[in-house]
Amino acid sequence: GGIITQTPKFLIGQEGQKLTLKCQQNFNHDTMYWYRQDSGKGLRLIYYSITENDLQKGDLSEGYDASREKKSSFSLTVTSAQKNEMAVFLCASSLGYAEQFFGPGTRLTVL
Amino acid sequence: GQQVQQSPASLVLQEGENAELQCNFSTSLNSMQWFYQRPEGSLVSLFYNPSGTKQSGRLTSTTVIKERRSSLHISSSQITDSGTYLCAMGSSNTGYQNFYFGKGTSLTVIP
Repeated sequence: GGIITQTPKFLIGQEGQKLTLKCQQNFNHDTMYWYRQDSGKGLRLIYYSITENDLQKGDLSEGYDASREKKSSFSLTVTSAQKNEMAVFLCASSLGYAEQFFGPGTRLTVL
Repeated sequence: GQQVQQSPASLVLQEGENAELQCNFSTSLNSMQWFYQRPEGSLVSLFYNPSGTKQSGRLTSTTVIKERRSSLHISSSQITDSGTYLCAMGSSNTGYQNFYFGKGTSLTVIP
């Protein structure tokens, strides 16, 4: 078994601010993902990475940067937070494109 | 367009009744997964099932690739089954791999 940790659990930012979310996994999985969940909508893929230093864009990549510094970690940057934005960001990992395991999420509020 | 259609959007059952949740896909898939989303937002993997039938306790998942659909059957529902069920698919139909989630089925089991 393994675990995925996400930090911070809650993130409050100001309009225009650059904000970074972090994800760590100890499954030794090669693929990691970032999703965004808005109320009333399904999860949407922002970025994924199939190995260290690799980045692949999802449908929602505009307004975000990502970095896969090492196999176990994947970070996401909101390049310019939008006023009144509220969402949950979920990190996941998998072996190849198989079963995905998720972290507990980071809840973003922009004032 | 919406790649994953989940139905029903919500469902109320009396304890002991069975439930059938459906996911329909608009494109061919190479991965398929069912999740339970806890009230605080974290996702629990129920099945990774890109084809065929899998069973775990009172839960059964069936994916029929050529019909582009997957179902989750819950037998003898219990109050603790209440919550949101999500399906997700992976596809490389556009030439690159992407992942899509349904909007979920909200299940309420009453005594």
